[in-house]
This record gives sequence, C-alpha cells and structure tokens, in this order.
Amino acid sequence: AQKVTQAQTEISVVEKEDVTLDCVYETRDTTYYLFWYKQPPSGELVFLIRRNSFDEQNEISGRYSWNFQKSTSSFNFTITASQVVDSAVYFCALGSYQKVTFGTGTKLQVIP
Amino acid sequence: GAGVSQSPRYKVAKRGQDVALRCDPISGHVSLFWYQQALGQGPEFLTYFQNEAQLDKSGLPSDRFFAERPEGSVSTLKIQRTQQEDSAVYLCASSLATGHDTDTQYFGPGTRLTVL
Repeated sequence: AQKVTQAQTEISVVEKEDVTLDCVYETRDTTYYLFWYKQPPSGELVFLIRRNSFDEQNEISGRYSWNFQKSTSSFNFTITASQVVDSAVYFCALGSYQKVTFGTGTKLQVIP
Repeated sequence: GAGVSQSPRYKVAKRGQDVALRCDPISGHVSLFWYQQALGQGPEFLTYFQNEAQLDKSGLPSDRFFAERPEGSVSTLKIQRTQQEDSAVYLCASSLATGHDTDTQYFGPGTRLTVL
C-alpha cells in the first residue's frame, strides 16, 4: 500500500519569508514517481513538479526548490521569498503504475 | 491548447437522484482518471481508463458509482441514487501515459456535487 504524509496541516508566514513544506511517503515499489501540486482558492490543481525514484538530484525552479531524499523517504518543497500569490493548499503525491496517492495537503497562508 | 474541462461545475441533487458528470480530457491524452475530493482532504483515486478500457476501478466506493469512456475520449461518471456522503468535488485528470511509468496528470476544474 502506498501512503503520503503531510504532517503540517496549516502554515502561516509573513511575505518574503522562506517556507518548507514537508512530505514523507511509503511504498514498496522500486520505481515510483513523486509530485507536487498547488490548489489555489479557485480549486483547480496545478502541476508543479514530477520526479522519478532514481533521480535524487535537487531541483530549483525560480523561487521553488525540491529536496528528494530516498534514505528518509522524503520529498520536501521550499518556497523562497514567499509571496501572497503563493497562498494555496499544496499536495504531495506518489505515483506507481499510473495510480496516484495524494497526501492530505498543507494549507499555506502568506501574510502581506 | 485547451486543458481538461468538466461539466457541470456545480450540481445540486436531492438524495436518491441519479447524476452524470462529464469530463473532456486534453486532446491526445490516452489516460483519464477520476478522483473524489472531500472538503479539507486530498483527492482520492476512483478509477482509471486507458483509451476506452477501464483498467482500474478499485477506488469506486460502491456499485452506485459507474464510469465509462466509450470512444476513448470523453468520459462520464455516473452516480445512482445519490446519498449525502457523495457530496464532494469530483476531479478528472488526463495524461499521455500508456505504460507503467506514472506520467503527469493534468486536472480539470472539478464538479462540486452537493446532495441534499
């Protein structure tokens, strides 16, 4: 069985602060994929990143960065210099053989 | 190009009514997925199609839920004899995936179903 745990239910930060969203996963598969999605108040899930289990390189995209550590089964997401537009619910997800399991999400509020 | 579209965006049903929710995937996407998202929760997998074949329906909560994709494009999720616990947002997603690798799924805006 696959499981994704996002222990942080809600986080509030002041604009321009850095924030890290934690994600821990469980799977018995050797090949799997990890995802992050953003769900703004409008409700539509927006794809952010996809990584496969063999690629542990950290990735940076603008103000976003991801830290994949297979040894601790974690795939954390950091937003640098947060902005009000970053306010949303962020979901970490684990995929194997097309089936994707989502975490319960972390609600991020960026206060101006 | 157009993204995934879903209709209706909002549906209110009286308990016991049947409802049909439609999903138009991204053109050319082979795989189509349905998820149910309860308030404050993450999306939960319901079922998955590759072309017209329903390859996995393990997430459908009861035999009142039925999904089809007869021509391998548009899909319909039907809920018979709706119950209050069926109230949720129903999300549709599509991807290019055809093999074992889990490809990126792109989501539609969802249909918010409220059962009174």
